[in-house]
Parts: sequence; structure tokens; C-alpha cells
Amino acid sequence: DTEVTQTPKHLVMGMTNKKSLKCEQHMGHRAMYWYKQKAKKPPELMFVYSYEKLSINESVPSRFSPECPNSSLLNLHLHALQPEDSALYLCASSQVVGLSTEQYFGPGTRLTVT
Amino acid sequence: DQQVKQNSPSLSVQEGRISILNCDYTNSMFDYFLWYKKYPAEGPTFLISISSIKDKNEDGRFTVFLNKSAKHLSLHIVPSQPGDSAVYFCAASTTGGATNKLIFGTGTLLAVQP
Repeated sequence: DTEVTQTPKHLVMGMTNKKSLKCEQHMGHRAMYWYKQKAKKPPELMFVYSYEKLSINESVPSRFSPECPNSSLLNLHLHALQPEDSALYLCASSQVVGLSTEQYFGPGTRLTVT
Repeated sequence: DQQVKQNSPSLSVQEGRISILNCDYTNSMFDYFLWYKKYPAEGPTFLISISSIKDKNEDGRFTVFLNKSAKHLSLHIVPSQPGDSAVYFCAASTTGGATNKLIFGTGTLLAVQP
């Protein structure tokens, strides 16, 4: 089983709202990732969690707040977003960081900020 | 600075023929390369990978070739099928560090004609 699940599939939020994106994997992976993908662009890394600890923040604005409650779950808390934050948000997982291992992606959450 | 480039935005191939997708990179520190396939509104699906210690890796209809001296890799799909029609991303990473950050190319849209 190489499944990563993400909820919700679609999200529309206003600039003053607070919402959360959720990601789950049951492959025993210890590295989890958030990527952002704009239309007709490649995915871009936002955050990396390794063994439930944040190891990389790619200079993401503080209106995006990641959280890793346990080894299977990854959340992305959203607050005071801007319309330019509208994108497909992808979660991924891999066995560990530092080794040659593939990342498995979820289906993504399509976020629209109005 | 685009470290991973896919210079062909699109490719059209007849069913049953070979599809060849190309990817170039500039960072000589990259030592692990992956190909992903992506349908609209879905997350990328891992296809095949190759470590820099190899020059070829094969998995069913998919073969990836790596030419380190030219900093070039290619994905061969034989025979091509209509279900292969999707956007294909190559990605590269440097292992051994604190993150498995994937740098994606801009993608090639493959259309397999019946």
C-alpha cells in the first residue's frame, strides 16, 4: 500500500478565515512533506518533517503553520491567506530523509482564497 | 535558476511506439533522480528512479537512462499506451543531507494517440 490521503479535496476560504489541511499515511514512513503547486508549474517544497520534527522550512510565510501530531499525520494550518496562495497543496511521505528513497504523494487539496 | 529542465513542453506519440522524455540538470551534487506521472487534479505518481551509481534502470515498460557526464536523463516508455497520456515530471535530489528535497522539472505533456 503506497497511499497518502489528504482532506479536504477542495477548500474555498476567505482571507480572514482559519482552516487546516490534513494528510495521513500508514506506510510507516518517518519523513513527511508539504509541497505547493501553482497552475502549469512544478511542485515546490514548503516543509519537511523528519521523525515528527520540522527539519526544513523553505522560507514559507508564517500564515502557513505545519504540525506533525504523530508519525502518520501531517497538518497544515492556514490563517490570513492571500489570493495568491491559491494553489494545489500536496502532501508526500518517504521512508526517511537522507537516503535514496522515493516520495509518495497524496491527491492534493485544491485551495482557493477569495 | 532552473536546476532541472524539461525542454519539451509536449510530446505526441502513436500507440505502440516508443515515447522518449528528456530531462537535463545543472547541479552536479544531484545523485538521485525520479520520474513522476501526473494526471490533472491528482498528485504525482511515482514511476521509476535511478541512483547516480547506475546508468540504467528498468521496470516493465519504463526504462530510465542516466548520462552523468552530460547531466542528462531520459525516460523511455515501450510500448506506449493511451493510458500513459499525462504530464511527466523528472525530479532530482541530493541524498545524505537533512532533507530529501526534490527539485522538479517543468513537466512534459505526453499524448499517446490511439
